[in-house]
Amino acid sequence: EAGVAQSPRYKIIEKRQSVAFWCNPISGHATLYWYQQILGQGPKLLIQFQNNGVVDDSQLPKDRFSAERLKGVDSTLKIQPAKLEDSAVYLCASSFSTESYEQYFGPGTRLTVT
Amino acid sequence: DAKTTQPNSMESNEEEPVHLPCNHSTISGTDYIHWYRQLPSQGPEYVIHGLTSNVNNRMASLAIAEDRKSSTLILHRATLRDAAVYYCILRAFNTGGFKTIFGAGTRLFVKA
Repeated sequence: EAGVAQSPRYKIIEKRQSVAFWCNPISGHATLYWYQQILGQGPKLLIQFQNNGVVDDSQLPKDRFSAERLKGVDSTLKIQPAKLEDSAVYLCASSFSTESYEQYFGPGTRLTVT
Repeated sequence: DAKTTQPNSMESNEEEPVHLPCNHSTISGTDYIHWYRQLPSQGPEYVIHGLTSNVNNRMASLAIAEDRKSSTLILHRATLRDAAVYYCILRAFNTGGFKTIFGAGTRLFVKA
C-alpha cells in the first residue's frame, strides 16, 4: 500500500515570497491533516479536512495560510507571503475517517525562509 | 485540552527494556491515550493506543494506571532503530472527530 506522498521535500524561499505544498493521501482515506512542526517541537495541527470540507482550521493563520482539497483527494497548502517564523517542516497525514485512531504521516516538506 | 507531561530525553542500552512515562493528570473519561514516534527525518508513526486497559501489539505495550492519570509505553527490547522522539497524546473525541495535540515528546537514545 502506497503511503502519504508529499512534494517538494525541501524548499528555500525569501521572506514575502509565496510557496505551495502538495499532498496525496492514502487511497480511500477521507480525512486529511496538515501539521506544522517547528524544530524541537511536536507537530501542530493547522487544518483538518473530511473529504473536501474543513473540519478544523482553528490554528491556521488565515491571513497568510490557505489550504484546499477540491476533489476530496489531493490537497495543497499555500503560504503567501512567507515570514521567517514559517520556517518549519510541513507534514501531511491522512486517516480513513475522523474516528480513526491511526493517522498516517507523509515524510514532510522542510521549508526554510531566509 | 488535556495536557501530557513527558521527560525531555531518556537513554537505554540496546536489547534492554525501555519504560517511557507520561503524566496526564487532567485526562477526562473519554480521552484516549495514544503514542506516536518520530524517527529522524520522517513523519510520526502510530505506535499504540488505549483507553483503560493495558494493551499489547507487535511494537510495544501500553500500561495505563488505574486512575488513568499516567501511562507507560514499554519497548520490550530496544534496538538502535527505536531511537526516536516518542509522543504521548490524549485524543479527545469532539464533533469533528478525534483532535490530536502533540507535546514536545521524549527523545530516546539507544546505546549499542
